[in-house]
This record gives sequence, structure tokens and C-alpha cells, in this order.
Amino acid sequence: GEDVEQSLFLSVREGDSSVINCTYTDSSSTYLYWYKQEPGAGLQLLTYIFSNMDMKQDQRLTVLLNKKDKHLSLRIADTQTGDSAIYFCAERYNTDKLIFGTGTRLQVFP
Amino acid sequence: EAGVTQSPTHLIKTRGQQVTLRCSPISGHTSVYWYQQALGLGLQFLLWYDEGEERNRGNFPPRFSGRQFPNYSSELNVNALELEDSALYLCASSTTTGGNQPQHFGDGTRLSIL
Repeated sequence: GEDVEQSLFLSVREGDSSVINCTYTDSSSTYLYWYKQEPGAGLQLLTYIFSNMDMKQDQRLTVLLNKKDKHLSLRIADTQTGDSAIYFCAERYNTDKLIFGTGTRLQVFP
Repeated sequence: EAGVTQSPTHLIKTRGQQVTLRCSPISGHTSVYWYQQALGLGLQFLLWYDEGEERNRGNFPPRFSGRQFPNYSSELNVNALELEDSALYLCASSTTTGGNQPQHFGDGTRLSIL
């Protein structure tokens, strides 16, 4: 089935770490992605992970994948006000379409 | 390198009208995808074109259609517009299908139906 779930809101203090979680249902997913959407804009690809990996680090971003539990997380270190946005996880399903989660709105306060 | 470009940025239409949205992929990308982001419904896959052919479509009625041109740009057409078609329409492009070919998105066309 096609279902990707995320919590709706996350609020963190500037300088702290943010962890955004995502669960998916399709065990045959090959790639999982994180996108960022700022107000009035499209989606910006942040990072991705292949399903045979456990972790991927890219500067301030760390992606963790627990395939057994079908759980994906995005950790943003030293969160800044410019990180305030909606974050979507997405799984690549079947014939190349992406199935998106509901999005997590990250609010960073000083 | 120019990203995915979409036009127009905003459109206002009335019920029953028809609309055409346009998308230019990143140079070298042959696949184009269309998604609808409607309030309360999230991001939903609409259509996928590759090498000029429609490869897959989402769960949308036939009044949503499109095409891909020889230069890989694409159009999305929506006929007989309904109020529920109000949404942000996002286009994405990628290189060849299969493997890890991430989809890169444009800024979208915001369509409002009055």
C-alpha cells in the first residue's frame, strides 16, 4: 500500500537539533527522500537515502533509516531560523512516482 | 544551470473553464512529473512523461491531461475546471528513469478557481 506518515508540527529553539520523523508502509521502496518547502515556493531536494543504507550524513543533515520498522528520520544539527519550513519525506514507489508524507512544519524560535 | 521553470506563476479561472500549465525541465532531463498540492490533501502524483510518452498517471479524472514535447518540456491541461482544482501544481524533472534519479521541482503554478 501507499502511505507515508509524519507528525504535523515541530518547534525548536535556535541552535538546538531538530528531528523530523516519518513512517512508510511500502517495504519495496528503493529510495527515500527529504524535501523542504518554504512559503510560496516549490520543493527543494535536501537529501536521500538508499534502502540498503542505515545512515547518511550531509553537513548539518543526518538521515537515519530503520528498514525493519519502516521508520525514517531527518536530524538537523544547529537549527537556524532559516530552517523554518515544511519538510516532506517521500518514498519512491513502483514506477518512479513519489509518495509524499503530510509534511512537518518546523518552527525555529530564538 | 537553470532549474525547473514553470509558467505562469499564478492563474485565476472560473468554474467550467480550461487551463494550460507549462513546465521546462532541467537541461538534460528527459522525465517530467506533475503533482497537485491541494490544501488538506497534500502532494499527490498526477502524471509522468518520459521521452514524449505518458508512462503513468495518478488517480485523477480524464479531464486532467498533458503532453511532452520533443524538447522535453511539458504541458498540463485541465478541462471543465472545478472549485476543488484550486491548488499548487508542481512540475518535477529527472534524468533517466530507474536507479536514483532524484526529482527536482519547480516553484509551481498556483491555480485559483472562483
